[in-house]
Amino acid sequence: DAGVIQSPRHEVTEMGQEVTLRCKPISGHNSLFWYRQTMMRGLELLIYFNNNVPIDDSGMPEDRFSAKMPNASFSTLKIQPSEPRDSAVYFCASTALAGGLDEQFFGPGTRLTVL
Amino acid sequence: GENVEQHPSTLSVQEGDSAVIKCTYSDSASNYFPWYKQELGKGPQLIIDIRSNVGEKKDQRIAVTLNKTAKHFSLHITETQPEDSAVYFCAAAGNNRLAFGKGNQVVVIP
Repeated sequence: DAGVIQSPRHEVTEMGQEVTLRCKPISGHNSLFWYRQTMMRGLELLIYFNNNVPIDDSGMPEDRFSAKMPNASFSTLKIQPSEPRDSAVYFCASTALAGGLDEQFFGPGTRLTVL
Repeated sequence: GENVEQHPSTLSVQEGDSAVIKCTYSDSASNYFPWYKQELGKGPQLIIDIRSNVGEKKDQRIAVTLNKTAKHFSLHITETQPEDSAVYFCAAAGNNRLAFGKGNQVVVIP
């Protein structure tokens, strides 16, 4: 298995632009997580899905952020409009068991820079 | 919600010595405590985990201890090697939600 796949690996955009980050979880995994990592705040959980259904989005910073999981093999995290403070590394992770109390397999991350 | 604290933030050790990282958590209902290692430019990777029904778990040079009464758990790395240099994250699962600590930078000096 190729592991969790994220694209793009790097994204540089200007303030106000829409950004879409993509994730393909490991085949057969039932939970998917989106994290944001910064030096100041560490690794923050933004949202997670069980069986394609959003369970907890309390970590989503504001309405500019949205996430979808239209099927078991694909998820997107969208920021519209983007702001410089959104600059961070965004990770997607998946687990075999629903609920996440199991090993999380992380993707390589997307490094987002908003100018 | 769950709050996880890690200490120290940076740890330097001589190659061959032991490294210990400590974490505390706030939610007494937490019952799953994983440790992740993150190398530069990569995503975190699980290295060991422990559940609340055991107090200690060991895997080769890595061990984790858990004290549920005091709500703290520790990662022990023995006979450190240069490839152990990385950022280590502890986490605790409370209310079906995993909360991560802010990470420890471990530097192994050859």
